[in-house]
Amino acid sequence: EVQLVESGGGLVQPGGSLRLSCAASGFTFSSYWMSWVRQAPGKGLEWVANIKQDGSEKYYVDSVKGRFTISRDNAKNSLYLQMNSLRAEDTAVYYCARDGGLGPWGQGTLVTVSS
Amino acid sequence: DIQMTQSPSTLSASVGDRVTITCRASQSISSWLAWYQQKPGKAPKLLIYKASSLESGVPSRFSGSGSGTEFTLTISSLQPDDFATYYCQQYNSYSGGFTFGPGTKVDIK
Repeated sequence: EVQLVESGGGLVQPGGSLRLSCAASGFTFSSYWMSWVRQAPGKGLEWVANIKQDGSEKYYVDSVKGRFTISRDNAKNSLYLQMNSLRAEDTAVYYCARDGGLGPWGQGTLVTVSS
Repeated sequence: DIQMTQSPSTLSASVGDRVTITCRASQSISSWLAWYQQKPGKAPKLLIYKASSLESGVPSRFSGSGSGTEFTLTISSLQPDDFATYYCQQYNSYSGGFTFGPGTKVDIK
């Protein structure tokens, strides 16, 4: 069974950092682009970042450029999102998804940025 | 960057109704468009990819059409399980990002 499981969410103060993880199973992780997508409370979906199969290409939405870093470890079948300089507007459920969402999604992990 | 719009933002319909949602891209995306269904507290579910290809396991009452900048999602006969929010998404290029539309909420009339 294909599965994506996110972890690492929580409450963090503005300006703080958090690292999200996504554990993949049930498919050949190293063969796919992977993505992070977020959804603020009561709002729509927002694509955050994409990473190529070998990690050589990474792309971000403008609002997180310079603050967030997407990475992956194909040996561990894991995807990561390092989030620095967090702002209140980064509060959202963060989903890990295969190929921009065209494949399976995780269940999401909630990140709350508040003092 | 490619911007996506959807109309209407909310749609009230009854079981058995034919429902159509429109999605427009700010520039041509060929057929690189997907449709998702999302229910409260759940991850989105892929319904349609490449504008008109039905994802495996999705009921045939869902269909997609269009190319270039204008696309539609049609539900031929609305079922109780279909009351949800629907999003379109363009995936024209990995480097440009995979922008979502703002969503269309389908609720009970």
